This record gives sequence, C-alpha cells and structure tokens, in this order.
Amino acid sequence: RKEVEQDPGPFNVPEGATVAFNCTYSNSASQSFFWYRQDCRKEPKLLMSVYSSGNEDGRFTAQLNRASQYISLLIRDSKLSDSATYLCVVTPSNDYKLSFGAGTTVTVRA
Amino acid sequence: DGGITQSPKYLFRKEGQNVTLSCEQNLNHDAMYWYRQDPGQGLRLIYYSQIVNDFQKGDIAEGYSVSREKKESFPLTVTSAQKNPTAFYLCASRASERYNEQFFGPGTRLTVL
Repeated sequence: RKEVEQDPGPFNVPEGATVAFNCTYSNSASQSFFWYRQDCRKEPKLLMSVYSSGNEDGRFTAQLNRASQYISLLIRDSKLSDSATYLCVVTPSNDYKLSFGAGTTVTVRA
Repeated sequence: DGGITQSPKYLFRKEGQNVTLSCEQNLNHDAMYWYRQDPGQGLRLIYYSQIVNDFQKGDIAEGYSVSREKKESFPLTVTSAQKNPTAFYLCASRASERYNEQFFGPGTRLTVL
C-alpha cells in the first residue's frame, strides 16, 4: 500500500463550481499535512497547511480526519487559474522525509 | 530575496556522461532534498540531508551521488550508472523544525540524448 494515495482525476469543472477531493495516508502516526499546487512543468508550491481543526484560506478549505486517515481540499467558486495538479504531502513522525501523493489534476473550464 | 536556486534550468547529456545539478538556498534551512519527477507521476526522493556533512539515501538513490559540504549547497551528480536519467529534478529545503513545510527550487529538466 502506498503511504499517500490520491485520486488522479482529472476533475473537470466549470468556472464557479465547487470541487473537492481527498487524500488518504497509511501511517497513523503522521504529524503534519500540507496541500501543494503544481502547475505544468513547474515546481510545487505550498497552497496551505492542514490543521487538526480544519482551516480555510479564501476559497480553499482543508480538513483533516485522523480517525479515517485522510485529508481533504475543497475549492469554492473555481477560477480558470485554479487549474493545476494538487499534491497531498504527509510528514511521518520522527522523520525528516516527507511522503507525496501523485497528485489530483483539476481543470476549470470557461 | 530568500529562496532556492537550481541550475541549469535545462540540461542535455550524452549517454555515459556524468552531470552535476546545482542547488543553493539562502533560507538558512538545515535540511535539503533531491526529488525526481517523471511525466504524469509523483515526486520520488533521491537523497536528503539533515545537516552539513551528512546525507541519507532516499527511495531511488542508485545511480546518483550527493555532497553537503556547506549548509547552503546540495549538488546532485547523475552518474552514468543511472539507467534512465531523463526526468525533472527538484531540489527542496526545509527548516529544522519537524512540522515545517518544504520549499522547492524551480527544477532542472535533464534530457539524455
């Protein structure tokens, strides 16, 4: 079983729609969680950290469910510029290594 | 500006040649990482270093070598032993606190001719 698994998509949505997707992780001792955004042929960039209580940053909402071992990302009022691949990143405890999901591709159409 | 730089942006290599990719950071981060990304795939860890003069193999270290002589620098050598080196190589750094995020450089796209 992979340490971090994501639905690859693609999720094709119209502008203004809401899109949500999950990421599951296998290590129950994982300590920190992030969502990164990667545009085509570019480096990943931090979108947001994911806190236990859930957090929101503008149109983006991230949640953590430790019991079921998944994190989620919800994008409201989708913009064309939200088209990208979203990477889920999990940090196991007592380890400097991070585990990356393969990414979920989102395409927002006009 | 603080950040991570990688050079060159594009690199072409003949089969059988070694090549070194540069990674420099001025964020004062202790940990540095090298990843490889193939088209349509996720990031795979090659090597990482938690402190100067120390580094550990990642999941796909065969055919690669690194050094960490300075805190700011973590060069990656792709040797002729790497069977399929054509890929997008990403360097990252992270502050020492375990809960901090990684920051990535812009990447080097290596093509073996």
